[in-house]
Amino acid sequence: DIQLTQSPSFLSASVGDRVTITCRASQDINTYLAWYQQKPGNPPKLLIYGASTLQGGVPSRFSGSGSRTEFTLTVSSLQPEDFATYYCQQLNTYPPTFGQGTRLEIK
Amino acid sequence: QVQLQESGPGLLEPSETLSLTCTVSGDSVTSQNHYWIWIRQSPGKGLEYIGYLSYSGGTNYNPSLKSRVAISRDTSKNQFSLKLTSVTAVDTAFYYCARGSTIFGVVLSHFDYWGQGTLVTVSS
Repeated sequence: DIQLTQSPSFLSASVGDRVTITCRASQDINTYLAWYQQKPGNPPKLLIYGASTLQGGVPSRFSGSGSRTEFTLTVSSLQPEDFATYYCQQLNTYPPTFGQGTRLEIK
Repeated sequence: QVQLQESGPGLLEPSETLSLTCTVSGDSVTSQNHYWIWIRQSPGKGLEYIGYLSYSGGTNYNPSLKSRVAISRDTSKNQFSLKLTSVTAVDTAFYYCARGSTIFGVVLSHFDYWGQGTLVTVSS
């Protein structure tokens, strides 16, 4: 299986900060990478797919980039509702796999 | 608006069969280019893909579970179901159903709608 390693695993930031989360794949996954946001008691919510395509309804402060083995999720200006856990997922090779998650907390 | 809702027993004993159903509204389990997926999440293993049922009825399973898992559908009820046999404590998790969508009309590329999830506990 393809391993996805997210960094950092834990991030403390303030409202208004710009933050970046990195996801590294153990093999080339082209741009078949998605990002999800999960809040306690809720399922993951799709933010970005195809490495950089914003899902409908997701605020434009979220953006994604990267290809092959290195990807980033950036939040340009953190809002209170953005404090959550973020996961990357690859769908290039079966089985689809997820990163271990990055927990974003308020400083 | 697409909505998915899981249902099924929340407590099982070891060696029993886990059976969950996902009821879909706002879309059809036979709609072109969509996939119907089961995922689980446990503190120990994070998010784990279980398998999918395609719009055409084809299936794909995670090799780690393939010998124990089956996904099927009831088109008359617009539902799809998960069966996982011979459960043990390691199968304790939140189980989610989700819809998968494609890019270029072919390649599954993201899971865009999820159910709220249901906790299944395996304990004697």
